[in-house]
Amino acid sequence: GAVVSQHPSWVICKSGTSVKIECRSLDFQATTMFWYRQFPKQSLMLMATSNEGSKATYEQGVEKDKFLINHASLTLSTLTVTSAHPEDSSFYICSAQAVDRASSYNSPLHFGNGTRLTVT
Amino acid sequence: SQQGEEDPQALSIQEGENATMNCSYKTSINNLQWYRQNSGRGLVHLILIRSNEREKHSGRLRVTLDTSKKSSSLLITASRAADTASYFCATLSGSARQLTFGSGTQLTVLP
Repeated sequence: GAVVSQHPSWVICKSGTSVKIECRSLDFQATTMFWYRQFPKQSLMLMATSNEGSKATYEQGVEKDKFLINHASLTLSTLTVTSAHPEDSSFYICSAQAVDRASSYNSPLHFGNGTRLTVT
Repeated sequence: SQQGEEDPQALSIQEGENATMNCSYKTSINNLQWYRQNSGRGLVHLILIRSNEREKHSGRLRVTLDTSKKSSSLLITASRAADTASYFCATLSGSARQLTFGSGTQLTVLP
């Protein structure tokens, strides 16, 4: 089955530093990847849609200069949390959708295992 | 933004019993999907039901969809302790490519 690898699985950083999270589709190509944020015992909140070769589309209320997304290839998207603050501490999850589907509307998403970010 | 509301928010049952989780949504959909999340992990796709389908089965899972009521249910039969997880419904609507997730149900299956 389709595998999405997300790295690192957890990271602790100091306030003011930047953290990069990688999301790779290992055995399929993904023109579109999605980045979510999840607070404890809550649902996933979509942050942005990452499109290969073009700028990401951010959801309302998500600062694009703070959460930098780069989707440089069909198998890799990165999320960089810049100048991290304690309120950025959260669980970040990426997902990807295979590219060569007859109808992308009926393709499930494949999720990474998430990254637990703690900013001290 | 969340479109779906799930109930119950939490469900605790004994091993062997059936578990039913419900999902309601607000707008017309292309399909509805159910995902499972173990604590601190990513989501795993369980089953997808298209808007023109009413029921779908996969192993011990049974999903129903009632588009007139904008609701879906997930039934897990003969539950096992390993089924303990959070379960989310997610909808795909209109021309959007991204899923909108429900609030989730935390299922605990007691051995």
